Amino acid sequence: KAGVTQTPRYLIKTRGQQVTLSCSPISGHRSVSWYQQTPGQGLQFLFEYFSETQRNKGNFPGRFSGRQFSNSRSEMNVSTLELGDSALYLCASSAPWTGVKETQYFGPGTRLLVL
Amino acid sequence: QKEVEQNSGPLSVPEGAIASLNCTYSDRVSQSFFWYRQYSGKSPELIMSIYSNGDKEDGRFTAQLNKASQYVSLLIRDSQPSDSATYLCAVNKGDNQGGKLIFGQGTELSVKP
Repeated sequence: KAGVTQTPRYLIKTRGQQVTLSCSPISGHRSVSWYQQTPGQGLQFLFEYFSETQRNKGNFPGRFSGRQFSNSRSEMNVSTLELGDSALYLCASSAPWTGVKETQYFGPGTRLLVL
Repeated sequence: QKEVEQNSGPLSVPEGAIASLNCTYSDRVSQSFFWYRQYSGKSPELIMSIYSNGDKEDGRFTAQLNKASQYVSLLIRDSQPSDSATYLCAVNKGDNQGGKLIFGQGTELSVKP
């Protein structure tokens, strides 16, 4: 079974621009979560989508948004990029209805550099 | 107080030794706990999950959970140089058990040949 895929793998943008990242979950997984990883703050939860609805949300500004499509693929968007948005953005998918045993599997990540 | 805390390390052990990694969490109602391994420049890889008090073994890895003390640990027996990585402890804080992992800062492990 193929793993979680993310595109693009690397991205360079300038301040003020916006960016869209894409994530395809493991086949059969309907939950997709997004995380930001930086050396200073570590791995931080952004948001989670299930059945095209945002189910959980982290503490990030409204510039960070996401959506999920009917095939469970997800995108996240960052508008008005700031230098501090430079990070590794990770997507993780999980199978629903497994209760406390719901386990997330991570994709390879998209490394974003904001200049 | 951080929700999930780990010793940042680095933790250095000789090849063949037991590596012990520790994690504490603040929310008593947490039910799902995970250990991920992350090599430099790579994404996190699941090693173990644990939900009940006690020990759970998988090969050279043993996870231990003590909900009364709000403590999770990971033991790596017969440590190998290939185990050198950052180990991340995570707690699921999602509503209705959805996917919202809160991570510790990670413990860097170095296994010396």
